[in-house]
Amino acid sequence: DAGITQSPRYKITETGRQVTLMCHQTWSHSYMFWYRQDLGHGLRLIYYSAAADITDKGEVPDGYVVSRSKTENFPLTLESATRSQTSVYFCASSRQETQYFGPGTRLLVL
Amino acid sequence: AQTVTQSQPEMSVQEAETVTLSCTYDTSESNYYLFWYKQPPSRQMILVIRQEAYKQQNATENRFSVNFQKAAKSFSLKISDSQLGDTAMYFCAFRLSTSGTYKYIFGTGTRLKVLA
Repeated sequence: DAGITQSPRYKITETGRQVTLMCHQTWSHSYMFWYRQDLGHGLRLIYYSAAADITDKGEVPDGYVVSRSKTENFPLTLESATRSQTSVYFCASSRQETQYFGPGTRLLVL
Repeated sequence: AQTVTQSQPEMSVQEAETVTLSCTYDTSESNYYLFWYKQPPSRQMILVIRQEAYKQQNATENRFSVNFQKAAKSFSLKISDSQLGDTAMYFCAFRLSTSGTYKYIFGTGTRLKVLA
């Protein structure tokens, strides 16, 4: 079925390690987004991408890197994980004005 | 800058009754979109309903409807005949419709519990 998938769904890592969260969509949507969800903050935008090879910072980009070499993939990398990056991460894509979300990745940084 | 405020962190409602979740937003623009998303315990974000600001008619989707008051910058969600499956976190979201603007602003959410 078409949709957005994220992998892994759960990840435990240690501080200082590099972690990459994957996002794949089958709709060929131009726009893709990464959010983190923390208690009391709702969803906060980390990065977004308007098309392949076009990315831009969101509200909380520090410590994260993204790339988009193909329209369908939008990986998010934590270059050196910190405990403050423990969160649930959501990938989304949008068709026109509506966003559609992946199932989320729960990341724990020890 | 745009902001979205959900002033009710938690609410509860008896099964089969009606409940209204509040959302206010702030913007100086006139063209935008508003959304309600549902996040059940599975954590999947599910679109509930969408409203275009230029439309005066309130959007409805089965048991879900909105009360969109543009002048008051209010966008409340009404759930009729509440069901146990409606138990979830509900997020209000805003997006400008200006070309080239693709950022979405989310509220902090309202946790709704439907009681049997």
